[in-house]
Amino acid sequence: NAGVTQTPKFQVLKTGQSMTLQCAQDMNHEYMSWYRQDPGMGLRLIHYSVGAGITDQGEVPNGYNVSRSTTEDFPLRLLSAAPSQTSVYFCASSPRTGAGYTFGSGTRLTVV
Amino acid sequence: AQRVTQPEKLLSVFKGAPVELKCNYSYSGSPELFWYVQYSRQRLQLLLRHISRESIKGFTADLNKGETSFHLKKPFAQEEDSAMYYCALEAAGNKLTFGGGTRVLVKP
Repeated sequence: NAGVTQTPKFQVLKTGQSMTLQCAQDMNHEYMSWYRQDPGMGLRLIHYSVGAGITDQGEVPNGYNVSRSTTEDFPLRLLSAAPSQTSVYFCASSPRTGAGYTFGSGTRLTVV
Repeated sequence: AQRVTQPEKLLSVFKGAPVELKCNYSYSGSPELFWYVQYSRQRLQLLLRHISRESIKGFTADLNKGETSFHLKKPFAQEEDSAMYYCALEAAGNKLTFGGGTRVLVKP
């Protein structure tokens, strides 16, 4: 099992550009989430999904879109990148409530 | 809405000393609580789940519903325990909310 795989690991964008952060898991987990990690602010939930075809907003959803067409994949789209979106992004998955989440290795995004 | 508070941003202890990381939460329902650890430049790893009442790497955590706390403790800190620790609460709908994190530095 590869676990949770995120690509790319690093990315530099110019303000206004769009891009998609990829997340895939091979553990058949129903629940998947996207977080951003900023110094002094911990991890903040962007979007989450409780199954294929179902997504919902987290704490900081503005500027981001998600879709969940399959159980395995949960891509995060930045519509028009802004410097405030410079952060480390983590994807995570869980099989059920209370089991805990498995995290990917993260994507370090810089918007200039 | 749920909230997780970790009041200490940094804890510095000497090797062999006890360490306690505080975590307080607010949630109207019955919470699922976790501790995660992040070593330097690595991904987050699950350390403890309150439901399993286990001890991992010498760490334990007890859920106190009366005080709405889930403090993490280790009686004898080791240098390899230096890391960032996050307390997290899973609410209904499987939303996982994190505290701001506590950096632990274990000095030799």
